[in-house]
Amino acid sequence: GAVVSQHPSRVICKSGTSVKIECRSLDFQATTMFWYRQFPKKSLMLMATSNEGSKATYEQGVEKDKFLINHASLTLSTLTVTSAHPEDSSFYICSAGTGRYGYTFGSGTRLTVV
Amino acid sequence: DAKTTQPTSMDCAEGRAANLPCNHSTISGNEYVYWYRQIHSQGPQYIIHGLKNNETNEMASLIITEDRKSSTLILPHATLRDTAVYYCIVLYNFNKFYFGSGTKLNVKP
Repeated sequence: GAVVSQHPSRVICKSGTSVKIECRSLDFQATTMFWYRQFPKKSLMLMATSNEGSKATYEQGVEKDKFLINHASLTLSTLTVTSAHPEDSSFYICSAGTGRYGYTFGSGTRLTVV
Repeated sequence: DAKTTQPTSMDCAEGRAANLPCNHSTISGNEYVYWYRQIHSQGPQYIIHGLKNNETNEMASLIITEDRKSSTLILPHATLRDTAVYYCIVLYNFNKFYFGSGTKLNVKP
């Protein structure tokens, strides 16, 4: 079946630095990928839609300059959290799919900003 | 977009069937119902999806009412490993997945 690989699974960074998270579709091509954020004991919140070869579209209230998304190929999307602060600490999850037949999710990245 | 309503939590005895309900009263004709689950600190896992007819796979069964305003996910023989948060999602515009609050299923020995 379709596999989405997310890397790293955990990252700790210092406040003010930037962190890049990768999302790869291993055995299929994904023109569209999605990035989610999840706080403890809360549901997943859609942050943005990553479109191959074009700009990402962000959900209302998500800072596009804080969360930079690049979808340079059909199998790779990256999320960069710029100038990270402790309030950016969260669980970040990506997904990719074929539209009406569902979506496969990555295993998530636990970001801790200290 | 159609929103979903699910109970916050449910308990189920190990070995018994777990029936998880979902209301999606504003669903439109071309929107699918998807079910995913999330085990702690992992990404969501696909379970099943359907449009109008009942569906069954190796993991679960999906029962959709005739008016499509509600559905039930059935795990026929729940095990402790089925303890998770279960999300019912209506696929909007064949594009974005918006998650509701889900149901925390507690399978007890």
